[in-house]
Amino acid sequence: DTGVSQDPRHKITKRGQNVTFRCDPISEHNRLYWYRQTLGQGPEFLTYFQNEAQLEKSRLLSDRFSAERPKGSFSTLEIQRTEQGDSAMYLCASSVPGGAGANVLTFGAGSRLTVL
Amino acid sequence: AQKVTQAQTEISVVEKEDVTLDCVYETRDTTYYLFWYKQPPSGELVFLIRRNSFDEQNEISGRYSWNFQKSTSSFNFTITASQVVDSAVYFCALESGAGSYQLTFGKGTKLSVIP
Repeated sequence: DTGVSQDPRHKITKRGQNVTFRCDPISEHNRLYWYRQTLGQGPEFLTYFQNEAQLEKSRLLSDRFSAERPKGSFSTLEIQRTEQGDSAMYLCASSVPGGAGANVLTFGAGSRLTVL
Repeated sequence: AQKVTQAQTEISVVEKEDVTLDCVYETRDTTYYLFWYKQPPSGELVFLIRRNSFDEQNEISGRYSWNFQKSTSSFNFTITASQVVDSAVYFCALESGAGSYQLTFGKGTKLSVIP
């Protein structure tokens, strides 16, 4: 198992463009999370899936943001009409659903977005 | 509302010194979980410890130890005999036990261990 994979690692885009990030969690983890981290801050929760169901969404997730996990495996996070304020590191994490490892998140390396 | 405060923005210590990273949390929930994560310069957050609100026992793992005190809403992290590899940003985080699985992170403490 290679851990949580995120792609692309870096994305530079112009304001107004759409971007999509992909996350491949650890295969036996059925929970998947998206967080956003800006410079000098801790990660902020965006959304969470259990299998293919999106169970929680933060108020940070405006209508320009959409996340999917269609088959309960990989997930995508799309940002439409990007703004400069969207520039951040987008982190994906996964976890097992219960037991001692419940909600112990394994994070990916992140996808850094720069909006010009 | 939940809140995690890490008042120390940056700390520098000389190798082999002990260092304590402070974490103060706020929650109205009686059941909750506290975490520490490490973010080394490579950027990937690494889990260190999870503690539930009913377990106030302190924990030691090698050079790392954690002191959980509900009376002061604190969950402090001590590194004994620090090493250069301990240089990283350390985050304290809180999860409500009330059915939400989102973590509320503090702003982190950047630890620099000088050889």
